[in-house]
Amino acid sequence: TQLLEQSPQFLSIQEGENLTVYCNSSSVFSSLQWYRQEPGEGPVLLVTVVTGGEVKKLKRLTFQFGDARKDSSLHITAAQPGDTGLYLCAGARSYQLTFGKGTKLSVIP
Amino acid sequence: ETGVTQSPTHLIKTRGQQVTLRCSSQSGHNTVSWYQQALGQGPQFIFQYYREEENGRGNFPPRFSGLQFPNYSSELNVNALELDDSALYLCASSLEPTNTEAFFGQGTRLTVV
Repeated sequence: TQLLEQSPQFLSIQEGENLTVYCNSSSVFSSLQWYRQEPGEGPVLLVTVVTGGEVKKLKRLTFQFGDARKDSSLHITAAQPGDTGLYLCAGARSYQLTFGKGTKLSVIP
Repeated sequence: ETGVTQSPTHLIKTRGQQVTLRCSSQSGHNTVSWYQQALGQGPQFIFQYYREEENGRGNFPPRFSGLQFPNYSSELNVNALELDDSALYLCASSLEPTNTEAFFGQGTRLTVV
């Protein structure tokens, strides 16, 4: 059972465009994390959001945690080819991270 | 670079064999978790080790076992390999068990034939 649903699964956009990816769950998590993973590498932590309604910005990336702490979104402004990769959300409960399947983003120059 | 290193990077094994994967944690981190990532899927939690004891386990059979050593390095052992065990195995270290901000290694790609 996949507790975290990510959408879209695949996204291919032109350099300079904006995009939003979503992470939804029916479960409440104590925190939610976003990771980026490149082929043949492990996931790299981008951000952790803890409080319902929290918004965090990391340069051109904006992360939001839903008020009920069940869902999250990642918005990228003016995407660049270097943003290409697999974006994973992970919900934290006690010692365990539960990952979604990820959104595979391709940014075309 | 996270400071978490895994070995080997790639491995091919035959069904029924046993395999040991190794992980060296980031300096100062006393907790290590192992994940299995099948192709096209997100990582799935196998188990976590803290102070050389298993601290929690996901939905994996007992033929998946682990060890953590006094220097916080860790091993994942898989017995009686099955074709479905083919995956990227990821090790992640964190400061403590309840701090889930994880720093992942590059993974070991295991292929079972």
